[in-house]
Amino acid sequence: GAGVSQTPSNKVTEKGKYVELRCDPISGHTALYWYRQSLGQGPEFLIYFQGTGAADDSGLPNDRFFAVRPEGSVSTLKIQRTERGDSAVYLCASSFDGARGYGYTFGSGTRLTVV
Amino acid sequence: AQSVAQPEDQVNVAEGNPLTVKCTYSVSGNPYLFWYVQYPNRGLQFLLKYITGDNLVKGSYGFEAEFNKSQTSFHLKKPSALVSDSALYFCAVLRTGANNLFFGTGTRLTVIP
Repeated sequence: GAGVSQTPSNKVTEKGKYVELRCDPISGHTALYWYRQSLGQGPEFLIYFQGTGAADDSGLPNDRFFAVRPEGSVSTLKIQRTERGDSAVYLCASSFDGARGYGYTFGSGTRLTVV
Repeated sequence: AQSVAQPEDQVNVAEGNPLTVKCTYSVSGNPYLFWYVQYPNRGLQFLLKYITGDNLVKGSYGFEAEFNKSQTSFHLKKPSALVSDSALYFCAVLRTGANNLFFGTGTRLTVIP
């Protein structure tokens, strides 16, 4: 597609529920990143995929968070047993040549609210 | 560890005046530095980057940034601010040995008509 697409744009869920957030990167971009942006903060790195594999998952806060990219294109961020502290905007970005090149192209994000 | 700091949460400037949004960095080795802008309800957009070469980097929408190694700064500048420049600006640094960016906390720029 023309840009990075994230769905849904907004998600409200109850504490303890499971959620999936989807990212559709720019066609041909092999690098895909997930970030989390809390209110008043800058984006915080979660995980980086190169192709189908997670090249760096050091930013995932705990084992409730998991992400997949089975075919090297669309990625899904999965959060189990959601907590109110998980409320944030989850940003996806993709890149043709990784962060060293022209940086990332970001999607508009998914605003997750855990009530 | 690589990091960036944006000392100002908010910057106000009159339309037509020059603007500066400050960023300082802490890295080992040569830094890869970036500026992004975030408009309401939109994703972050790349403005410019410094990898190597000229210390003055020109980017999108008339913005530029000056890399200053002695002051470890990478301030974003524009000679004449527009009301449409009002947005949230983030400085970022590439983490050494990794392939992801570390972002500052952001500076909200308001250009007053």
